Amino acid sequence: GAGVSQSPRYKVAKRGQDVALRCDPISGHVSLFWYQQALGQGPEFLTYFQNEAQLDKSGLPSDRFFAERPEGSVSTLKIQRTQQEDSAVYLCASSSTDRDGNEKLFFGSGTQLSVL
Amino acid sequence: QQQVKQSPQSLIVQKGGIPIINCAYENTAFDYFPWYQQFPGKGPALLIAIRPDVSEKKEGRFTISFNKSAKQFSLHIMDSQPGDSATYFCAASRRGGGADGLTFGKGTHLIIQP
Repeated sequence: GAGVSQSPRYKVAKRGQDVALRCDPISGHVSLFWYQQALGQGPEFLTYFQNEAQLDKSGLPSDRFFAERPEGSVSTLKIQRTQQEDSAVYLCASSSTDRDGNEKLFFGSGTQLSVL
Repeated sequence: QQQVKQSPQSLIVQKGGIPIINCAYENTAFDYFPWYQQFPGKGPALLIAIRPDVSEKKEGRFTISFNKSAKQFSLHIMDSQPGDSATYFCAASRRGGGADGLTFGKGTHLIIQP
């Protein structure tokens, strides 16, 4: 595809359920990011992959959050035992480097998670 | 600690006017400052970005002004159109936007009235 694809588009979970959110990055993009965007707020960094290596997971809010990218392409963000405060839009981005060496992020449309 | 402060929260401008959105940052290690545009139900899309070695950058109707000593930067939209109505986010990062990720402002909801 031409852009970053995320699925599902919407996810409703009961409190305590586990959820898995999928991200298909732009083909050939080495870097992949996950962000969390609460309603009316800016995106907040969760984690970063370079190929299959998770180089930074400092933004993951708790040990209930886990991300993987086993083959260096598709990534999955898993949230265990979901809580109401996990309700947000989860954005995935992949990046390319411009001629000045800046990393340009391309975002998917996100997965809107609602925990009831 | 909010590392990037954005204002105003919301802004209404008549068509053809020049909306100005301001951001201030605290971390002097930041060296890459992009602006993103987000429409409802979509992810943010990169509009324009600047490095601290220049004071201004123009791309089409969008201009970034950068003041390194004041640690401030702003977005100007020339000849604004109703289609520019969206939420705008400033952001900042170290090392050109790589592994550290972007730190975003809280966003400005812009409405351009016909």
